[in-house]
Amino acid sequence: DIQMTQSPSTLSASVGDRVTITCRASQSISGWLAWYQQKPGKAPNLLIYKASNLETGVPSRFSGSGSGTDFTLTINSLQPDDFATYYCQHYNSSPFTFGGGTKLEIK
Amino acid sequence: QVQLVQSGAEVKKPGSSVKVSCKASGDTSSEYAISWVRQAPGQGLEWMGGILPIFGSTNYAQKFQGRVSITADESTSTAYMELNSLTNEDTAVYFCAKGKDSSGSQVWFFDIWGQGTMVTVSS
Repeated sequence: DIQMTQSPSTLSASVGDRVTITCRASQSISGWLAWYQQKPGKAPNLLIYKASNLETGVPSRFSGSGSGTDFTLTINSLQPDDFATYYCQHYNSSPFTFGGGTKLEIK
Repeated sequence: QVQLVQSGAEVKKPGSSVKVSCKASGDTSSEYAISWVRQAPGQGLEWMGGILPIFGSTNYAQKFQGRVSITADESTSTAYMELNSLTNEDTAVYFCAKGKDSSGSQVWFFDIWGQGTMVTVSS
């Protein structure tokens, strides 16, 4: 199975900051990576797919990059609504595992 | 726009089974792939398996193989996830989620999610 490792597990930032979350796969997944945002008590929400494609309706301050084993999610100019937990997920081969999550907190 | 509505919370005894439903409403003219993802309290997301109605096939995570069954009733646009031999470790919120596409590489990431169903396993 492909393991997905996210870092950091917790990130403190302020409104207006630019933040980057990293996701590393245990083997190459080409660009088959998605990013989700989840708020407490809610289902995840798709942000990015195929490493860098922005899902319809997602603000352009979110962006993704990477290929192979190393990927990043960047949020420019943090807004109050962005404080949440973020997960990466590969869809290269079954099982389609998620990273452990990164909780983005207000500093 | 498709919406997924799941059945209500369940409380089960260890060793029993649970069956959770996920009904699609809205644009159900296409056959969508549906996966099930669970989240234990305070933990991350775990993909369990999925069904591709267009091919009539299922794909399960090895961890759940033999203990989970995912089915779909196309006539009612409803998918089901049945989990057997429950233990306390199966206590979690179970989400159904729609693959962004019904075939190809976009089947196994998810653009629409159900609201989640809390399953509590307790003696």
